[in-house]
Amino acid sequence: DAGVTQSPTHLIKTRGQQVTLRCSPKSGHDTVSWYQQALGQGPQFIFQYYEEEERQRGNFPDRFSGHQFPNYSSELNVNALLLGDSALYLCASSSLEEPGTGELFFGEGSRLTVL
Amino acid sequence: SQELEQSPQSLIVQEGKNLTINCTSSKTLYGLYWYKQKYGEGLIFLMMLQKGGEEKSHEKITAKLDEKKQQSSLHITASQPSHAGIYLCGASPRGAQKLVFGQGTRLTINP
Repeated sequence: DAGVTQSPTHLIKTRGQQVTLRCSPKSGHDTVSWYQQALGQGPQFIFQYYEEEERQRGNFPDRFSGHQFPNYSSELNVNALLLGDSALYLCASSSLEEPGTGELFFGEGSRLTVL
Repeated sequence: SQELEQSPQSLIVQEGKNLTINCTSSKTLYGLYWYKQKYGEGLIFLMMLQKGGEEKSHEKITAKLDEKKQQSSLHITASQPSHAGIYLCGASPRGAQKLVFGQGTRLTINP
């Protein structure tokens, strides 16, 4: 049973460019959340997708957008990249049918470097 | 908004020694998660605590939730090199599945 998978694992972009990160949730999970983790900090919640809609959003600008597909996989898009967007982007999957009953499964993350 | 503060921020212990990491919340805790992270990698789930006074153990790691103090502690007994990494506590605000995380505690085990 595959866990949460993310791609790419590493990527380098320049300021002003756009990036798309991808996530496949754990089998049986229907909810995907994205987190940004800057170096030396804890992860910060970006947003959560369920039934192909954004359900909750953290304190991130509109440059951060996402999408969830019918197969529950998700994409995170960041436009007009800034140096400060350099971070590890983590995807977590869960099931809204079973809230609070178990852990959120995290992927290995996508390391984004903006030059 | 809820904030979590972890202490200490970093910890160096001799292999075989016991250690404790604390996580204090600015608001009532409804669900507290502990994760371990190897440097630059994904988060590995350790334990989730939901009720005041709850205590859970996995191998040599024990976590407790003190709801009144809005605090949780993670205790490692007889530490091993495999315990090295960053420990993160995360809280689930009531009615939400998102997690608010502490800044992490970096644990180093010296042989």
